[in-house]
Amino acid sequence: GAGVSQTPSNKVTEKGKYVELRCDPISGHTALYWYRQSLGQGPEFLIYFQGTGAADDSGLPNDRFFAVRPEGSVSTLKIQRTERGDSAVYLCASSLGGEMRGDQETQYFGPGTRLLVL
Amino acid sequence: AQKVTQAQTEISVVEKEDVTLDCVYETRDTTYYLFWYKQPPSGELVFLIRRNSFDEQNEISGRYSWNFQKSTSSFNFTITASQVVDSAVYFCALSEEGAGGTSYGKLTFGQGTILTVHP
Repeated sequence: GAGVSQTPSNKVTEKGKYVELRCDPISGHTALYWYRQSLGQGPEFLIYFQGTGAADDSGLPNDRFFAVRPEGSVSTLKIQRTERGDSAVYLCASSLGGEMRGDQETQYFGPGTRLLVL
Repeated sequence: AQKVTQAQTEISVVEKEDVTLDCVYETRDTTYYLFWYKQPPSGELVFLIRRNSFDEQNEISGRYSWNFQKSTSSFNFTITASQVVDSAVYFCALSEEGAGGTSYGKLTFGQGTILTVHP
């Protein structure tokens, strides 16, 4: 079956512009995560969706960042007024999800979107 | 707060050597999960293993093996008879169980270890 897909694979934009990054999770996965990976670092958590709702957005760095998942499948990460410091690889992951104790699932990652803000 | 430390920034070995990647974690939870991911030059994170905090049995999968020791909060990864294709960045990660017993999978990653295997 298809894995997690992300589009675009690369995005170059100018400082101050608005960008949208898209994530298509694995079919049937209810949990979706966004991470950001800067060069030479491990991925850092941004936001987690269980279904349509953002269960935890504590990793979003500021109010320029916003994410939605209106139908519980595809998610879009939106960045307003981009800054050079936003340049990174944005990774999306999905898992089966679940609310039962011990139901921790493995997260499967997409290839990422490499964002460069000039 | 949870934390993962991979003290080895870079490791270089010659093919067929064994190599161990270290991972030390910190967490206040009694229930948690540990992971290893591989990130080859292509950039996509590839899942290798998941282990929960109640299962301290070591695991072997082909040339890969994992040593989980709660007493030292370590989850080390060994590659036996390394190959050039093992060259990648390897990440150790931790997730804690959510409040109220609900599962919650926010991953905290270490900084990664760059492994280079020379022919």
